[in-house]
Amino acid sequence: AQSVTQLDSHVSVSEGTPVLLRCNYSSSYSPSLFWYVQHPNKGLQLLLKYTSAATLVKGINGFEAEFKKSETSFHLTKPSAHMSDAAEYFCVVSNYNQGGKLIFGQGTELSVKP
Amino acid sequence: EAQVTQNPRYLITVTGKKLTVTCSQNMNHEYMSWYRQDPGLGLRQIYYSMNVEVTDKGDVPEGYKVSRKEKRNFPLILESPSPNQTSLYFCASSLSPLYGYTFGSGTRLTVV
Repeated sequence: AQSVTQLDSHVSVSEGTPVLLRCNYSSSYSPSLFWYVQHPNKGLQLLLKYTSAATLVKGINGFEAEFKKSETSFHLTKPSAHMSDAAEYFCVVSNYNQGGKLIFGQGTELSVKP
Repeated sequence: EAQVTQNPRYLITVTGKKLTVTCSQNMNHEYMSWYRQDPGLGLRQIYYSMNVEVTDKGDVPEGYKVSRKEKRNFPLILESPSPNQTSLYFCASSLSPLYGYTFGSGTRLTVV
């Protein structure tokens, strides 16, 4: 069975400092992994995806994530946080069955202090 | 603009009154899916479709129906809504699950 675990339910950073949101996954085969962001009262936006090409994946708005098979991790980073980054972030794995069902982590709420 | 459009954005209804939440995508995607989001339970798949006239149950299909008569549309039907279906609903579409899904803006449904 596939699953993802987001290690922090809430992360708080100051504007201009680095962001690290942690995610571990479990999969019996090579996974497709994603990070999505949800701003308050908005839908889910795809930040980036890993599909067994490069292990360092660059996404939108300066975010990137590194796939580490040995650690079963897919942590999301950004060098410098912006106020507009405050949102909820979901690490997601795609199940090849059930029409590519997305299995969501519990979410990490990112707060950015001025 | 490539997008998934859901309507309505907000809906308050009464128990037992049939309703339909519409979903339309303009990207010629084959895969479409419905999810519900609930506090403490996260996002869960309700139904999915891999092509026209091909639909199947997700993890929480009870009380819901779907249809896929055209590629672009994937409506969610609640024949007899109950208060436990109060939730935030998302429709999503994808060219291939390998590439991720594009989500609509959500429909906040309240059943009283």
